[in-house]
Amino acid sequence: EAEVAQSPRYKITEKSQAVAFWCDPISGHATLYWYRQILGQGPELLVQFQDESVVDDSQLPKDRFSAERLKGVDSTLKIQPAELGDSAMYLCASSTRLAGQETQYFGPGTRLLVL
Amino acid sequence: AQSVTQLDSHVSVSEGTPVLLRCNYSSSYSPSLFWYVQHPNKGLQLLLKYTSAATLVKGINGFEAEFKKSETSFHLTKPSAHMSDAAEYFCVVSEDNAGNMLTFGGGTRLMVKP
Repeated sequence: EAEVAQSPRYKITEKSQAVAFWCDPISGHATLYWYRQILGQGPELLVQFQDESVVDDSQLPKDRFSAERLKGVDSTLKIQPAELGDSAMYLCASSTRLAGQETQYFGPGTRLLVL
Repeated sequence: AQSVTQLDSHVSVSEGTPVLLRCNYSSSYSPSLFWYVQHPNKGLQLLLKYTSAATLVKGINGFEAEFKKSETSFHLTKPSAHMSDAAEYFCVVSEDNAGNMLTFGGGTRLMVKP
C-alpha cells in the first residue's frame, strides 16, 4: 500500500538555526498538507497545496516558515530561524478526490526538538 | 466555524472489555466526521469516516462510530479491546464536504490493561 514519506524522522537543532523537512506524497495525489502537532494536542494545518499552488497558508508564520512544492509532487517545509516554541511533530498529508470525497493520508511525521 | 471536543483525554480499559471514546462536534453545516488513530512514532491512520450516508459507520480493526445529529456526537466504540489498540485517537470534523479543511480534537489516549 502506497504511503506518504517524510524525512528526517527526527531532528534536533539549536534555536536560530535553519531546518528543513521533506515530504513525498502518495503518487497521483494532487493535494498536499503540512500540519504542526504540539505535544498533547491535535494537529493544526499550516499550509495546503493543490498541485504546485498554495491554497491556504493563513496559519503559516510567514516571518520564519516557508513551504514550496515546485513541481507539484514532493514538498519542503523550512523554518528559519528556529525558535524553542517550534518544537513539535510536523506531519505531511496528501489526498485525492474519489466520488466527490477526499480522504487525507498522513506520513509518519518529523519530530523537531529545538534546544 | 467548526470545532471538536473529545471529552476524555485518557481512557483506560482492560483487554477484552468494550471501548468508548467520546466526541462532540460543532458545525454550521452538515459535516463530514472522521476518527484517526496515531500509534507512537507513527503517522495518523484513518479508522473510519462519516459523510452523510449511513449514521452507523464501520471502520477498520473492529471499530465503529455512530453519528447522532440531535446530540452532535460521533462516539467511537469497539466491543472488545485488544492490547494493540493502545494509541492516541483523534476525532476530526470537516465542514466543506470535500474533506479539505480538517479540524482536530485534542485527542484521547487509550490505554489497555492486560
